[in-house]
Amino acid sequence: DAKTTQPTSMDCAEGRAANLPCNHSTISGNEYVYWYRQIHSQGPQYIIHGLKNNETNEMASLIITEDRKSSTLILPHATLRDTAVYYCIVRPARRNTGTASKLTFGTGTRLQVTL
Amino acid sequence: DAGVIQSPRHEVTEMGQEVTLRCKPISGHNSLFWYRQTMMRGLELLIYFNNNVPIDDSGMPEDRFSAKMPNASFSTLKIQPSEPRDSAVYFCAGRRDTTEAFFGQGTRLTVV
Repeated sequence: DAKTTQPTSMDCAEGRAANLPCNHSTISGNEYVYWYRQIHSQGPQYIIHGLKNNETNEMASLIITEDRKSSTLILPHATLRDTAVYYCIVRPARRNTGTASKLTFGTGTRLQVTL
Repeated sequence: DAGVIQSPRHEVTEMGQEVTLRCKPISGHNSLFWYRQTMMRGLELLIYFNNNVPIDDSGMPEDRFSAKMPNASFSTLKIQPSEPRDSAVYFCAGRRDTTEAFFGQGTRLTVV
């Protein structure tokens, strides 16, 4: 699986947009970009994923560059409850067993939302 | 749906004792994952099952660790004998096909 690189930590003021970058320069054509977050003392929670096009759901937006070598997760109006570690993961999209099923977590970005 | 259910939530045991962690995935999820999380090593994948069959156990640290999935609604992770370095939070997660994974709340294991 392609390796991802994220900043160790970021701060964001409550109510402002939080933009979390991720580099995945070795991503291959069949690999999706997934984002999960982990709030303190809880299990990781799925946020969003995408292949080529930008994606948006009720939680966040995902912007993937045209060359797919990097992406940005956007929380449009961050709240204190968004304080968490955010993980960017690259995973193949094959619909069978084997390594495609693995979700390998890196160190993520610790986002601190402040008043 | 109650989500992925793990038990116990907390476990404190003495070194050398056997520890069994339990996981009940969401109904219909055909892949199940066991992860371990520590401050030093982050989230590590230990083993995962697909349709109750172990697919990759390369993350299992030693023979002291074993995992089973006797049916689609139950899995166990056993450590025998336990050691202090096994202290961690253990997460179970499930997924249907290639959709997103749902994690349980974890079991915090302390081996003294």
